[in-house]
Amino acid sequence: DAGVIQSPRHEVTEMGQEVTLRCKPISGHNSLFWYRQTMMRGLELLIYFNNNVPIDDSGMPEDRFSAKMPNASFSTLKIQPSEPRDSAVYFCASSFWGHENIQYFGAGTRLSVL
Amino acid sequence: AQSVTQLGSHVSVSEGALVLLRCNYSSSVPPYLFWYVQYPNQGLQLLLKYTSAATLVKGINGFEAEFKKSETSFHLTKPSAHMSDAAEYFCAVSVEGGKLIFGQGTELSVKP
Repeated sequence: DAGVIQSPRHEVTEMGQEVTLRCKPISGHNSLFWYRQTMMRGLELLIYFNNNVPIDDSGMPEDRFSAKMPNASFSTLKIQPSEPRDSAVYFCASSFWGHENIQYFGAGTRLSVL
Repeated sequence: AQSVTQLGSHVSVSEGALVLLRCNYSSSVPPYLFWYVQYPNQGLQLLLKYTSAATLVKGINGFEAEFKKSETSFHLTKPSAHMSDAAEYFCAVSVEGGKLIFGQGTELSVKP
């Protein structure tokens, strides 16, 4: 398996623009997680899905952030409008819920909002 | 609420020396526990896991961790550090719904 695939790897945008991050989980996994990592705040869970259904979005910082999982093989995290403080590395992870709950991480998307 | 505490945000050892990274957790039920490693500009990679089988768990790259219920600890060790071990290490506990609660991370530096 190719693992969790995230795109793009790097994104540079200007304040106010819409940003969409994409994630393809490992085939057969039924849970998907979006994290944000910064020097100041460390690794933060933003939202997670079980069987394509959002379970906990309490980590989503503001209404500017939204996430969708239209099917078992694809998820997006959207920021609209983006702000400089959104600059961070965003990770997607997937797991097979109920079997040891091991999460497998993608390589991340490094977002810079100018 | 379940939580994970990693003692020391930065640990520095000499090459060949013992590595000891500390992790304490709080959990009301027998937990699943994990150590992940993050190399620069990469995602997190599973190092080892405890899932209520053997209390001494062996992972990749010569690392191991011991689950001690009485101390609510899951410390990570490696007998002899290598330069390639320099990375950030995260301890995590599994909670309801399959979420992981991560510690704040420990950056390991290895001096030649």
